[in-house]
Amino acid sequence: DTAVSQTPKYLVTQMGNDKSIKCEQNLGHDTMYWYKQDSKKFLKIMFSYNNKELIINETVPNRFSPKSPDKAHLNLHINSLELGDSAVYFCASSQYRGDTEAFFGQGTRLTVV
Amino acid sequence: EDQVTQSPEALRLQEGESSSLNCSYTVSGLRGLFWYRQDPGKGPEFLFTLYSAGEEKEKERLKATLTKKESFLHITAPKPEDSATYLCAVSMAGGTSYGKLTFGQGTILTVHP
Repeated sequence: DTAVSQTPKYLVTQMGNDKSIKCEQNLGHDTMYWYKQDSKKFLKIMFSYNNKELIINETVPNRFSPKSPDKAHLNLHINSLELGDSAVYFCASSQYRGDTEAFFGQGTRLTVV
Repeated sequence: EDQVTQSPEALRLQEGESSSLNCSYTVSGLRGLFWYRQDPGKGPEFLFTLYSAGEEKEKERLKATLTKKESFLHITAPKPEDSATYLCAVSMAGGTSYGKLTFGQGTILTVHP
């Protein structure tokens, strides 16, 4: 039973399209995150939600909009996709904000063509 | 500016050849330092959390240590299955950074049989 699951695992789409990535955690954690890993494997935080409340919103284009319908789910919607959005996006969760280890999903490889 | 720097960028070892990976950090108020392992095509997998200088944690062939400026991940008698990218991350206390993990760029470890 996967702790943090993301769908889809691969996403290939054309420039200008809108797409969503879904994430679910069954660990009962309070905090969820979206991270972006670029081609150089550098992992950088994008957003964090704690009990459905947005608590971290890094410098990310407005085209990226997270949504947390409940504590166990955090989705990422991306409008008007650009070539530079191509990356691997990871969802993660932790029991508390930054105090405990984060558990990561398997990632969604987004390719914009 | 908060920074996390890992060295070396890549490390090649022979099976059984012990070595260390370094993670140096400059943050205002460290809450915790985390080590993760990432295999190709997968999400980071949690290894250790260190909270205060002088703390040490061990797991099989891995041992993590922490000082006020850096952390080391010591690998004793590595095996080929230890080959992976090792990521260091810090969590800061308070302010706008509270709750987020800032990652280093990782060290790619390759262990040859």
